[in-house]
Amino acid sequence: SAVISQKPSRDICQRGTSLTIQCQVDSQVTMMFWYRQQPGQSLTLIATANQGSEATYESGFVIDKFPISRPNLTFSTLTVSNMSPEDSSIYLCSVYEGTEAFFGQGTRLTVV
Amino acid sequence: AQKITQTQPGMFVQEKEAVTLDCTYDTSDPSYGLFWYKQPSSGEMIFLIYQGSYDQQNATEGRYSLNFQKARKSANLVISASQLGDSAMYFCAMRVTGTASKLTFGTGTRLQVTL
Repeated sequence: SAVISQKPSRDICQRGTSLTIQCQVDSQVTMMFWYRQQPGQSLTLIATANQGSEATYESGFVIDKFPISRPNLTFSTLTVSNMSPEDSSIYLCSVYEGTEAFFGQGTRLTVV
Repeated sequence: AQKITQTQPGMFVQEKEAVTLDCTYDTSDPSYGLFWYKQPSSGEMIFLIYQGSYDQQNATEGRYSLNFQKARKSANLVISASQLGDSAMYFCAMRVTGTASKLTFGTGTRLQVTL
């Protein structure tokens, strides 16, 4: 299975600041996915990151708030900008290997 | 649009017993995949098992098996010989094959294994 390294694993941030989350995969993948899991909720897709093109954002998520970089086929970053307490969530990156989808360890973000 | 429904917010099972976690899905696409994930309190999502819509046999992975009933649109997870370490949230998810490729998740079931 794909090995996905995500960091930081957790952080506590002040409101109004930004945090960049990194996701490194041990193999080349076409698409990387970023999900958000708000407290007590299920996972919701933020955006799909393709190498060499702009990320595709889901309804309710915008590039100014969640800019994504995808510089190569094994790496991506998600930035949570101008944070507010409502951004406190677990953020997870995901890739497919064949038909199966694997996740990074997640980033538990708390905004105070 | 795709939808996953998990009707059991919480379940209890005794150690060494089997437990079934329910999942129903809705899609009009004939080609799709169904997934189960385990999420312990640490927050990571651990892949458990996958079932493709065209797979003839139910998927099995160790103590996990997927009871796939296509006509009823259900994909229940069966955990045999439960262990204390199985206590976690369990999510059912679906992916419709195609360019979108995103996973649609259910609301999850919290499983508690007791002595």
